[in-house]
Amino acid sequence: GENVEQHPSTLSVQEGDSAVIKCTYSDSASNYFPWYKQELGKRPQLIIDIRSNVGEKKDQRIAVTLNKTAKHFSLHITETQPEDSAVYFCAASWDGGATNKLIFGTGTLLAVQP
Amino acid sequence: NAGVTQTPKFRVLKTGQSMTLLCAQDMNHEYMYWYRQDPGMGLRLIHYSVGEGTTAKGEVPDGYNVSRLKKQNFLLGLESAAPSQTSVYFCASSYTVEETQYFGPGTRLLVL
Repeated sequence: GENVEQHPSTLSVQEGDSAVIKCTYSDSASNYFPWYKQELGKRPQLIIDIRSNVGEKKDQRIAVTLNKTAKHFSLHITETQPEDSAVYFCAASWDGGATNKLIFGTGTLLAVQP
Repeated sequence: NAGVTQTPKFRVLKTGQSMTLLCAQDMNHEYMYWYRQDPGMGLRLIHYSVGEGTTAKGEVPDGYNVSRLKKQNFLLGLESAAPSQTSVYFCASSYTVEETQYFGPGTRLLVL
């Protein structure tokens, strides 16, 4: 069945350091891999996404890499700042034929220590 | 644009009571979703809809029903609430599954 595993569940870094969150997925047909950020008490919001025809995508301090052969993708945050502290969710699309959906990972709580 | 809105924001139910959560979006999105969020469990899909008049089961559909009578609204029903349904419920919408999902503010439900 469809499944997305996300590691680590918690991550603490010093301000200015880099943070890496990794996800693996089970459906070889997955083509779309978004990352969402959820600040405390807020709703999740998309921060970056990548599609299967691309191996890497960057947006300022955030980058995502995708390895379709190994079925894993990662979020990289450089020069972390206290406002990066949040829960981050990865997700992968699942092709169900007539319908398809996103399956989310269990989340990573990132704490950036000033 | 209001985006995605949810009603109510917070509700306390007794075991066995029923209730309906309302989600509305004004972005003309085809896809709408209901998730529940529990500590350590991430966002789990309950039910979703790929267009007006359609519904489909997600990962954890038991104990919930949904309806999409109008394109802009997606209702989530609990017929007989159980303490295990205590959670934060998020609604979301998107043009397709491979486009940005816009989430509502969430509904916090406590079942005693």
